[in-house]
Amino acid sequence: GQNIDQPTEMTATEGAIVQINCTYQTSGFNGLFWYQQHAGEAPTFLSYNVLDGLEEKGRFSSFLSRSKGYSYLLLKELQMKDSASYLCAVYNQGGKLIFGQGTELSVKP
Amino acid sequence: DAGITQSPRYKITETGRQVTLMCHQTWSHSYMFWYRQDLGHGLRLIYYSAAADITDKGEVPDGYVVSRSKTENFPLTLESATRSQTSVYFCASVSGLGRYEQYFGPGTRLTVT
Repeated sequence: GQNIDQPTEMTATEGAIVQINCTYQTSGFNGLFWYQQHAGEAPTFLSYNVLDGLEEKGRFSSFLSRSKGYSYLLLKELQMKDSASYLCAVYNQGGKLIFGQGTELSVKP
Repeated sequence: DAGITQSPRYKITETGRQVTLMCHQTWSHSYMFWYRQDLGHGLRLIYYSAAADITDKGEVPDGYVVSRSKTENFPLTLESATRSQTSVYFCASVSGLGRYEQYFGPGTRLTVT
């Protein structure tokens, strides 16, 4: 079966750090993606992890542990514009992505 | 550099009518995808295509038809629209040449009355 779990909602304060977790159980695994989606807009690519470890890209970092079926997205120095939905997706086979339901992040002043 | 576009952006139709949603990409990407996004379900794959004239079903294909006669176009047709097909539809593409991130179109908000 295919199962990707992430928290439904999170709230954090401007300037703080927040970690969004994602656990997965899928029949195939060729990497894990994080996407950001603002309300009423299309998802946009944030990161891709295929090997274990941490990938850093500016204020955003993504971590993967394949043995644990676990990933997290770390957002530092939160800004109001970071309020969005964050989607975890497993790259299966044939270019297909399996998406979690997304985590709605609210950044408060 | 238009990237990936969808039309129409908004559509209201009646139950039983046929509706076609258009998707066009200018990158010559091999893979193209159609998703629907509903509250509580996230993004679900309807159909995908690995190349022109090659299509395959995704997670929720019932009630939908696709074609891909040209690499750049991937239309999605609802043969007889139902209220359960009210949703936001996203088209996406990926180059498939060692790059796996999908690029999404702006979406089509479809309401079936």
